Amino acid sequence: AQSVAQPEDQVNVAEGNPLTVKCTYSVSGNPYLFWYVQYPNRGLQFLLKYITGDNLVKGSYGFEAEFNKSQTSFHLKKPSALVSDSALYFCAVRAVSNSGYALNFGKGTSLLVTP
Amino acid sequence: DGGITQSPKYLFRKEGQNVTLSCEQNLNHDAMYWYRQDPGQGLRLIYYSQIVNDFQKGDIAEGYSVSREKKESFPLTVTSAQKNPTAFYLCASSTGPRSSYEQYFGPGTRLTVT
Repeated sequence: AQSVAQPEDQVNVAEGNPLTVKCTYSVSGNPYLFWYVQYPNRGLQFLLKYITGDNLVKGSYGFEAEFNKSQTSFHLKKPSALVSDSALYFCAVRAVSNSGYALNFGKGTSLLVTP
Repeated sequence: DGGITQSPKYLFRKEGQNVTLSCEQNLNHDAMYWYRQDPGQGLRLIYYSQIVNDFQKGDIAEGYSVSREKKESFPLTVTSAQKNPTAFYLCASSTGPRSSYEQYFGPGTRLTVT
C-alpha cells in the first residue's frame, strides 16, 4: 500500500518570507516522491521529484524539497515566497517495489501568499 | 500542460445522458490515467491503462468506462449510472521506469450535469 498525507488544508505566508508545505508518506520499502502545483482551472504541473541520492531536491520556480526517511516526510520549501506562488500543491508517492505505474496523491494544500 | 490535450474545456449535459471526454497525448507515453477532482478531495483515480487494449479500475470506477484502442488516446465515458458526475476531470500520461513514473497532465475538462 502507498499513501501520502498533507496535514494542512491551507498555508498562509507573507511575500518574501520562507514557505513550507508539508507532506508525509507511507509505503512499503523505498519511495518515489513528487510535488505538483495546480493553478485555478488548470491541470497539474510537475515541480520536482525524489528518486534516490541527495535528500535535498531542487525543482522549478525556486522550489526545493527535503526527503527525510526517518520521519517519512517530503516537505516542499521556498526561501522567499512570491504572490504568484499562490496555488494548490499536491504531493504524490509511488513505492519503488510497486509493479503498477499509478501514483497516490495527497488531498492538496492551498498556498496563499499575501503582498 | 504540453503534449496532452483534453476537449472540450467545459461540457454541459442533462442528467441521464452519457458523455465522452477526450484525451490525446503526443508524448509517446505508455500509460494514461483519468482522475476526478472535487473541492477538498484531491485527485481520485478513475481508470488507468499501462498498455494499449488493457486498462484497470482505479478507486472510483463505478459509473465510468474507458477504452484504449490507440496509444495516443484514452477517452472516458461518464455514464448515466454515475450518481454525481459534476466535477473537474483530469487526464494524465506517463512512461514507466524511464522517467520514474512522473505524470504529465492535460488542462482538464469541467463537466456540469443538470
